[in-house]
Amino acid sequence: QVQLVESGGGVVQPGTSLRLSCAASGFTLSSYAMHWVRQAPGKGLEWVALISFDGSNHYYAESVKGRFTISRDNSKNILCLQMGSLRAEDTAVYYCARDRSGWPPEYFDYWGQGTLVTVSS
Amino acid sequence: QSVLTQPPSASDTPGQRVTISCSGSSSNIGSNSVFWYQQFPGTAPKLLIYRNNQRPSGVPDRFSGSKSGTSASLAISGLRSEDEADYYCAAWDDTLSGWVFGGGTKLTVL
Repeated sequence: QVQLVESGGGVVQPGTSLRLSCAASGFTLSSYAMHWVRQAPGKGLEWVALISFDGSNHYYAESVKGRFTISRDNSKNILCLQMGSLRAEDTAVYYCARDRSGWPPEYFDYWGQGTLVTVSS
Repeated sequence: QSVLTQPPSASDTPGQRVTISCSGSSSNIGSNSVFWYQQFPGTAPKLLIYRNNQRPSGVPDRFSGSKSGTSASLAISGLRSEDEADYYCAAWDDTLSGWVFGGGTKLTVL
């Protein structure tokens, strides 16, 4: 069965960096586009980033553009999110989500359980 | 402020039918499919409706979706206590080149 397991969350200070990972299993990662979606405590869902099945296309939310980088290693079945210049408003649970398609994107069909990132001094 | 607009809450009694609206614009709902996600506290969202009105296998037919112009709605009939959850609409936005969500609707079964 499809499994997505996020890791790398934690408490970090403003202005620093953090790298999240998502381990995929139960399907062929190289066939699917992937996303990161976040949810601030007590708030709604916010899409963060998207990467195509082969890593050649990337899209970002305006709120993270220039600070976050999405990447993937299909040979290791891993999706990553490198987060830089972190701000308090980046505090959220970060979910990785599979797209139903390789490209163009269609919709999120499976989600991981999320990893919490807290940005605080 | 979310790009898609949903009522923050909805409620009704067991057995009744409730509808949750989702309002957008020509760059998102008006030109792309709408998707609905269900989320229980402390858990990941789950796909409920895809491509406006399609149900994934395993989703009861009590759940239905529709879209007209720049608005969409999720209807839940025969309301049950286990339907208490947060519901989110989502769509691709051509202007933003990204996915947008509604702010979420908390459904209470009275």
